[in-house]
Parts: sequence; C-alpha cells; structure tokens
Amino acid sequence: AQSVAQPEDQVNVAEGNPLTVKCTYSVSGNPYLFWYVQYPNRGLQFLLKYITGDNLVKGSYGFEAEFNKSQTSFHLKKPSALVSDSALYFCAVRDMIPDSWGKFQFGAGTQVVVTP
Amino acid sequence: GAGVSQSPSNKVTEKGKDVELRCDPISGHTALYWYRQSLGQGLEFLIYFQGNSAPDKSGLPSDRFSAERTGGSVSTLTIQRTQQEDSAVYLCASSLGTGATDTQYFGPGTRLTVL
Repeated sequence: AQSVAQPEDQVNVAEGNPLTVKCTYSVSGNPYLFWYVQYPNRGLQFLLKYITGDNLVKGSYGFEAEFNKSQTSFHLKKPSALVSDSALYFCAVRDMIPDSWGKFQFGAGTQVVVTP
Repeated sequence: GAGVSQSPSNKVTEKGKDVELRCDPISGHTALYWYRQSLGQGLEFLIYFQGNSAPDKSGLPSDRFSAERTGGSVSTLTIQRTQQEDSAVYLCASSLGTGATDTQYFGPGTRLTVL
C-alpha cells in the first residue's frame, strides 16, 4: 500500500530565504507524486506533479520539486519565499497498482509560515 | 472555465439530523472524489466515482455515510444521524479520469458543524 510522510508539522522561514517542505513516500510500483497548497478557508490548489522524466519539476507560483528515487523523496522548494506563501502544503502519492488506481494518499500537511 | 463547486459552504446541524452535501465537478471530468479534513488534520479519503463503474466506497467511515452521483455529474454526500465527530470540512475533487497523469482539482469545501 502507498503512503506518504511529511515529517515537519510547521516550517518557519523569513521572507526572501529559501523554502523547503519535505516529503517522503512508499509505493509498490512507480510513484506519481503531487503537491497541493491550501490557503485558509479554501480548497486545495494544485502546484505540480511528477510522473516521469526530469527529476526536477517546475510548478505554479515559482515552486519546484525534486524527485529522488534512491531517497524516496519529493521535496518542495522555492528559492525565495514570500509572505503570501504562508499556507498549508500537502504532498500526495498515487500508486499505479491496479487496485489503487484513482486513490491519492495525502500526507498530514506542513504549515508554512513566512515572516516579513 | 468553472472549477469544482460545493454547496453549502457552511452547514450547522444538530446531532442526530441528516445532512446532504453537494458537489458539482468540472464539466467533462469523469472521476469524482470525496475527502474529509478534520481540524488541523490531513485529508481522509471517503469515496470516489469513475464514470459508470461501481464507486470505491472503501473510505466511508460508517454506514451512516453514503454518496451518489447522478448522470455522471453532480454528486451528493449524505450523512445520516450526524454525530459531533462528523464535524469537519468535506472536500470534493474531480479529475478528467483516473490515469496516472490526471490531476485532482478541488472545490472550496463544505464546513460541517454538528452541535
């Protein structure tokens, strides 16, 4: 069965500094990995996904994520954080085993706080 | 184009009452998902529909929860005899299909409060 872990409940960073949100995963087959962001009182917004190909994936709002198969990680990064990036971030994995098709397994979420 | 919409945005009910939550997916999306997000928690999968196939109900927490999808479009999540532990935000998502590359797009959610 697939699973995903976000080891940090909260990440604090000063505006202008690099931001990293960690995610590790476990799947039986090839992983398909996603990042979503949730602003207060809003639904989840899609940021980026890794399906195959280049390990570095670029997404919305200047975010990128690096797929590392040997470390089973898919960390989200942004070179220079903005106060407006303060939100709850979710990593999700889809395992392409037939009986898991359609299901995403979401991490518990990481609250990002960017201070001015 | 229009995104996923959900109604109502907020619902306050008394313990023991039944509630219905509605989801309108993105037009043309064949897959529809329901999740529950309790305060400060991650997303808990409830159920998903793919086209005309039987829904995957494996995440429904009890037989008080049910969902249907009419005409392959709008879905209704029904909670019977609500309990205080049912209080949460209920999120609906849709995707073009359930292929590996298909992204789920989420609605704004319905915040359910059971008094």
